[in-house]
Amino acid sequence: TQLLEQSPQFLSIQEGENLTVYCNSSSVFSSLQWYRQEPGEGPVLLVTVVTGGEVKKLKRLTFQFGDARKDSSLHITAAQPGDTGLYLCASPHYNQGGKLIFGQGTELSVKP
Amino acid sequence: SAVISQKPSRDICQRGTSLTIQCQVDSQVTMMFWYRQQPGQSLTLIATANQGSEATYESGFVIDKFPISRPNLTFSTLTVSNMSPEDSSIYLCSVEGAAVYNEQFFGPGTRLTVL
Repeated sequence: TQLLEQSPQFLSIQEGENLTVYCNSSSVFSSLQWYRQEPGEGPVLLVTVVTGGEVKKLKRLTFQFGDARKDSSLHITAAQPGDTGLYLCASPHYNQGGKLIFGQGTELSVKP
Repeated sequence: SAVISQKPSRDICQRGTSLTIQCQVDSQVTMMFWYRQQPGQSLTLIATANQGSEATYESGFVIDKFPISRPNLTFSTLTVSNMSPEDSSIYLCSVEGAAVYNEQFFGPGTRLTVL
């Protein structure tokens, strides 16, 4: 069974702090996506990582894909209240085209 | 990216009634997906809806409870039938983006409360 384990589930930090969210699997990912969902909205795609060892940056967000493509991380530097939301990792189902497998989600709260 | 709208954005319904949620996309897409989400939690896929064929339901979801229509390449509906308080949730539709990596674009969701 293809599972994505995401940690931590909850994170409450002060503005200006750094944080890292992890997404792991026992299976190799073909690719991995990170989404952010703000309250009252649907998830929005942040980034897709494809190549083992890949690093992508989106302003204060840094996404890494493990060399073996079994894990990924999202690091936020100097978090701001606007970063508050639910962060989800997702990967394509290994044999059911179009479907995504989602991690359990990390609910981030950044307090001013 | 696709722009997706959902109607209604929220509703409060009585148990035993049914609610139909609409999902409209601004471009033609082959695959549409319907999800259920408890606030603060991850997404649970209900079914995949392809135009011209019956929806494919995930384990634990049945057509009698969640009938889906997909009349064309830009529109789909999900009906939540004979509702109970356990059906209170956020319902989201999504469409596939770039076929290469199966990214999805999501609607804003419908927040359903069943009394």
